[in-house]
Amino acid sequence: EAAVTQSPRNKVAVTGGKVTLSCNQTNNHNNMYWYRQDTGHGLRLIHYSYGAGSTEKGDIPDGYKASRPSQENFSLILELATPSQTSVYFCASGDRWGSSAETLYFGSGTRLTVL
Amino acid sequence: GDSVTQTEGLVTLTEGLPVMLNCTYQTIYSNPFLFWYVQHLNESPRLLLKSFTDNKRTEHQGFHATLHKSSSSFHLQKSSAQLSDSALYYCALSDHHNAGAKLTFGGGTRLTVRP
Repeated sequence: EAAVTQSPRNKVAVTGGKVTLSCNQTNNHNNMYWYRQDTGHGLRLIHYSYGAGSTEKGDIPDGYKASRPSQENFSLILELATPSQTSVYFCASGDRWGSSAETLYFGSGTRLTVL
Repeated sequence: GDSVTQTEGLVTLTEGLPVMLNCTYQTIYSNPFLFWYVQHLNESPRLLLKSFTDNKRTEHQGFHATLHKSSSSFHLQKSSAQLSDSALYYCALSDHHNAGAKLTFGGGTRLTVRP
């Protein structure tokens, strides 16, 4: 099964500070995603990537940047963290073979609190 | 844009009773993929089942769902709820033909099964 590792598991940041969330996958998947999870909103896509060097904006990209320096690593960067970015963040990887649907494999999540 | 609606935020059932979690969607795609992901407490979301075939029942781990394009629905069902079914369930949608299709998730339904 796909292995997706996120770090840190928990993070407390101050308003205006910079936060970097890291994600590593070991299954050579082309696609990687960052979602945030909030009660009532489900999982919302922030940024995604189709491969090393590429990043794309998702549905709620404002206030976030992403970096995909290699096939394995995908980071989410909050340059100026705000309390509204307090959430649980999930990284996921996936790939699509032929006409089959892409299955996402999620990491264990990062709980971010911005004070 | 695409949207997925899960009308029940919370569902509480007694063990042994049938489960039905509602999912409807809106999309411009004529051949969407529909998914159900499940997230148990303190775990990450994982795929439960998926389908893109109209009017065909898809089953996995005792759950089943049928995609009905005529009503834009993909309800999740199980004949008899178990305590271990208590979890957060997400319905999701993607474009069948887009190689790097990103998922749009519903708001989620939290299912609690009581003895």
